[in-house]
Amino acid sequence: EADIYQTPRYLVIGTGKKITLECSQTMGHDKMYWYQQDPGMELHLIHYSYGVNSTEKGDLSSESTVSRIRTEHFPLTLESARPSHTSQYLCASSVRGSNYGYTFGSGTRLTVV
Amino acid sequence: QQQVKQSPQSLIVQKGGISIINCAYENTAFDYFPWYQQFPGKGPALLIAIRPDVSEKKEGRFTISFNKSAKQFSLHIMDSQPGDSATYFCAAGNYNQGGKLIFGQGTELSVKP
Repeated sequence: EADIYQTPRYLVIGTGKKITLECSQTMGHDKMYWYQQDPGMELHLIHYSYGVNSTEKGDLSSESTVSRIRTEHFPLTLESARPSHTSQYLCASSVRGSNYGYTFGSGTRLTVV
Repeated sequence: QQQVKQSPQSLIVQKGGISIINCAYENTAFDYFPWYQQFPGKGPALLIAIRPDVSEKKEGRFTISFNKSAKQFSLHIMDSQPGDSATYFCAAGNYNQGGKLIFGQGTELSVKP
């Protein structure tokens, strides 16, 4: 039933490894977002995109990078994972003029050991 | 100016009771106020939303009350059910800022049978 897919759901990885979290949506939404969710639940915007080849940093400083080469795909990359990157990462999308009807994926829970 | 403050952090309500979650914002440019519901292991899902030109919006057992002068809005869940047990997030955004939402800290609601 989900129209936005995140993989993997869970990832445990060692310090210093490069990782890419995948996010794809099948709704043709032009806007996509990455949020980081603390263990205490709060959501922080780390990246967003308004369309192909458009990416911006969010309000929370992040060492990750994103790309938007195709409308449906918005991967997030960490070049060198650290324990401080341990968190849940949520991808969302919305359509222009939709009044913020975000559709969220189920998230990737990342643990860096 | 970008903060959205949500309270309480956690809430326990008896079945059939009323659950009330409050949010306050600072940025008067915000013009859209959605509420999201998140179950464990899932991403947040849009529950109900309001624009500042109305003071109340009701959808089934869920009601948003909005006080523009106080810069506050709240979610009321009438006849609360155990199935309503989830984490609830308020959010605020401004259309001219392209749909980015600022989320509150979240409220963990537990409805006891």
